[in-house]
Amino acid sequence: TQLLEQSPQFLSIQEGENLTVYCNSSSVFSSLQWYRQEPGEGPVLLVTVVTGGEVKKLKRLTFQFGDARKDSSLHITAAQTGDTGLYLCAGAKSSGNTGKLIFGQGTTLQVKP
Amino acid sequence: NAGVTQTPKFQVLKTGQSMTLQCAQDMNHNSMYWYRQDPGMGLRLIYYSASEGTTDKGEVPNGYNVSRLNKREFSLRLESAAPSQTSVYFCASLHSVWQETQYFGPGTRLLVL
Repeated sequence: TQLLEQSPQFLSIQEGENLTVYCNSSSVFSSLQWYRQEPGEGPVLLVTVVTGGEVKKLKRLTFQFGDARKDSSLHITAAQTGDTGLYLCAGAKSSGNTGKLIFGQGTTLQVKP
Repeated sequence: NAGVTQTPKFQVLKTGQSMTLQCAQDMNHNSMYWYRQDPGMGLRLIYYSASEGTTDKGEVPNGYNVSRLNKREFSLRLESAAPSQTSVYFCASLHSVWQETQYFGPGTRLLVL
């Protein structure tokens, strides 16, 4: 059962374009994280959002956590070829305190020069 | 400070063979996790160890066993490999279940023929 649905699963755009990746669930999460993964490497954390409605910016990347803490989005402004990679969202449940994360399927982003 | 290390980087097995994937972290983290990553599936949790001396099943534990050898090391064992276990395996660690950033190793690519 995939509790976190990411869309789109694949995105191919030209350098300079804007894009948004969505991460949706029917479950409430205590926090939601976004990771970026390069080929042949493990995921690396980009940001964690904790509060409903929270917006965080990381240079050209803007992350938002839904008011109900069930969904999140990642917006990239003026994409660059260096943004190419796999983007993963992951949700943490508040119960159990195990540190477990539930991952979405991932969005493969290809930015063409 | 090497972070999270995994060995081997790549392995080919025949159906029915056994092997152990090794993971070690030098960040004095309490919690460790094993995931598998398959195309279009994101990362799925196999087993985790919230603290030294404890292990618990994740989402897809069948066919695997784990050992938390000490605080640093967490191994994943395939007793009788099957082609369905062909995947990329990632180990991750977390300082404590009250924190949120998981640090991932570089992965082990396993092919079962």
